[in-house]
Amino acid sequence: AQTVTQSQPEMSVQEAETVTLSCTYDTSESDYYLFWYKQPPSRQMILVIRQEAYKQQNATENRFSVNFQKAAKSFSLKISDSQLGDAAMYFCAYGGAAGNKLTFGGGTRVLVKP
Amino acid sequence: KAGVTQTPRYLIKTRGQQVTLSCSPISGHRSVSWYQQTPGQGLQFLFEYFSETQRNKGNFPGRFSGRQFSNSRSEMNVSTLELGDSALYLCASSSLTSGVSGELFFGEGSRLTVL
Repeated sequence: AQTVTQSQPEMSVQEAETVTLSCTYDTSESDYYLFWYKQPPSRQMILVIRQEAYKQQNATENRFSVNFQKAAKSFSLKISDSQLGDAAMYFCAYGGAAGNKLTFGGGTRVLVKP
Repeated sequence: KAGVTQTPRYLIKTRGQQVTLSCSPISGHRSVSWYQQTPGQGLQFLFEYFSETQRNKGNFPGRFSGRQFSNSRSEMNVSTLELGDSALYLCASSSLTSGVSGELFFGEGSRLTVL
C-alpha cells in the first residue's frame, strides 16, 4: 500500500516570502502521479499542481513549483511571493494506476503573516 | 460550468440511524469518488464509481456503501451510524476514464455530526 507523509503540521511565512512544504511517499509502482491540493478554511479543495512520475522536469504553476526527487520519493512544494490568499491546509497526494483513488498526507497548515 | 454539488451541506444524526449523501459531478465527468475527512484520520478514500460501477474501494466497513446513477450522480449511504462516523464527507469528480489518476474536482463536502 502507498503511504504519503507530510512532516510539517504547520508552516508560517511572511507575506511576499517563500515557503517550502515537504512530502515523502512510498510506493512500488512505476507509473503514478503526485499532487498538491489546497483546502482554504471552510472552502473546497482545489488542485495546486500535478506531477507525472515519468517526467523529470519539475512542474510549475505560476508562484507554485515542485521539487520532485523520484529516487528519494520526495515531492516538495515551493510557494514563492506568498500572498494572504495562500493561507490554507495543503495536502500532498499520491495517485497510482488504480484510477482516482488518491492517498493523502496528513496536511500542512500554512499561515501567511502580513 | 457548475462545479461539484453536494447535498446536504450539514446534517445531524443520532447513533444507529442511517444517512444518505448526494453528489452531482461536473457535467461530463463520469468518475465520482468519495473521501472521509476527520481531524484524527485525515483524508481517507471511501470508494470510486465510474459508469455506475464501483471501480475502487477503500478500507471501510460494509456500513459504508455507495452507488452511481446513469446521469453520473452518486450517493453514499452510511447505516447504523457510530460516533466515529462524524466527519466531512467529500465528493470529487474527474473526467478521467482509465489509467493513472487525473485531476479531481472536489465539492464543498457534507458535514455529518453523529450524536
